[in-house]
Amino acid sequence: DAKTTQPTSMDCAEGRAANLPCNHSTISGNEYVYWYRQIHSQGPQYIIHGLKNNETNEMASLIITEDRKSSTLILPHATLRDTAVYYCIVKSDSNYQLIWGAGTKLIIKP
Amino acid sequence: DTEVTQTPKHLVMGMTNKKSLKCEQHMGHRAMYWYKQKAKKPPELMFVYSYEKLSINESVPSRFSPECPNSSLLNLHLHALQPEDSALYLCASSHGELGFTDTQYFGPGTRLTVL
Repeated sequence: DAKTTQPTSMDCAEGRAANLPCNHSTISGNEYVYWYRQIHSQGPQYIIHGLKNNETNEMASLIITEDRKSSTLILPHATLRDTAVYYCIVKSDSNYQLIWGAGTKLIIKP
Repeated sequence: DTEVTQTPKHLVMGMTNKKSLKCEQHMGHRAMYWYKQKAKKPPELMFVYSYEKLSINESVPSRFSPECPNSSLLNLHLHALQPEDSALYLCASSHGELGFTDTQYFGPGTRLTVL
């Protein structure tokens, strides 16, 4: 069974913030939320991850709800180059497996 | 530097051929991974090497044979593949320490076509 659910696709205007939601209602206490993106036919690119607290880096912000059952990835000023499939992933710290969602195809429009 | 390199970028092979995919990282990571990705699907884990030992084999057919010659290199030997094995093959690496956050970094992939 999928551990994460994401919308199939989303649009966002260039220059606006892109907010990508993810539900992970069965997440366990030692499981992290990871986000990767994949631009057409390239390898997945790591974006950000978190456990409980909100996180920010040079690419994005990750907001995790207090009950940890959902999260939102925020790209603050989307550009055309941010068009990609964004994967929300759950990963335990006790094994090597990434549990992938089906991904959200984000299209940034001029 | 979070670079994982893979060669070749593209590979076309017949069902009777033997070929190899190569992956390299110089980040000092001790876990390396092979994934297979079909179109419009997320990557599927095939193998994991931890400290140069095979740690996970996700019931992959024996026509795929992984090899980890040293901590920086990972190979995938291919023999007698089927057309349905055509896919993007991705390599990844991570520091490999369980019990902590362990981010995987992916290479660009090898696009394999089996005729």
